[in-house]
Amino acid sequence: DAKTTQPPSMDCAEGRAANLPCNHSTISGNEYVYWYRQIHSQGPQYIIHGLKNNETNEMASLIITEDRKSSTLILPHATLRDTAVYYCIVSEYGNKLVFGAGTILRVKS
Amino acid sequence: KAGVTQTPRYLIKTRGQQVTLSCSPISGHRSVSWYQQTPGQGLQFLFEYFSETQRNKGNFPGRFSGRQFSNSRSEMNVSTLELGDSALYLCASSLDGGRNTEAFFGQGTRLTVV
Repeated sequence: DAKTTQPPSMDCAEGRAANLPCNHSTISGNEYVYWYRQIHSQGPQYIIHGLKNNETNEMASLIITEDRKSSTLILPHATLRDTAVYYCIVSEYGNKLVFGAGTILRVKS
Repeated sequence: KAGVTQTPRYLIKTRGQQVTLSCSPISGHRSVSWYQQTPGQGLQFLFEYFSETQRNKGNFPGRFSGRQFSNSRSEMNVSTLELGDSALYLCASSLDGGRNTEAFFGQGTRLTVV
């Protein structure tokens, strides 16, 4: 079973920041937090991952709480093309991923 | 740099037949994982191969098997197909599949069992 809890869906206005929360209260010390997204029937796309420090790349920022029991993915300026299912995954290994139901993010103009 | 390539993209098979799907990872990547995606069960991990050895396995029956070649290309095989095996099968490659590494997915093979 997935070790994360995400809201089923969220809406965001185009151009605004999208903040996607994830709870992972049973995360162990060796597990990383990974975020992927899937756009209608395409293969999932890697977004970002982190262990305990906040991370930023060209796509997004990842904020992990100090106790590591939750995190937030931030898309700074959401566009219509960011409409997708976003998956938060905790895993020790980068190529053994247990996907949950994810969050459907709808970006609206 | 070429991405993960899966062939074929679409496949229709009859119940009871077997099928082989292929995955070519990103050049230099040695870890290949397979996933099944269905509307009812979502994305489920099948197995992972690294250096021609199955390193991790999900909770699927023995009808699902795979292998990896010395060039890191991987195949998965499903024998005695059932209607419920209809799904999108996704392959993901990673440098070594270990800690602090990300995986890159192919576009998948959509299998329909009739």
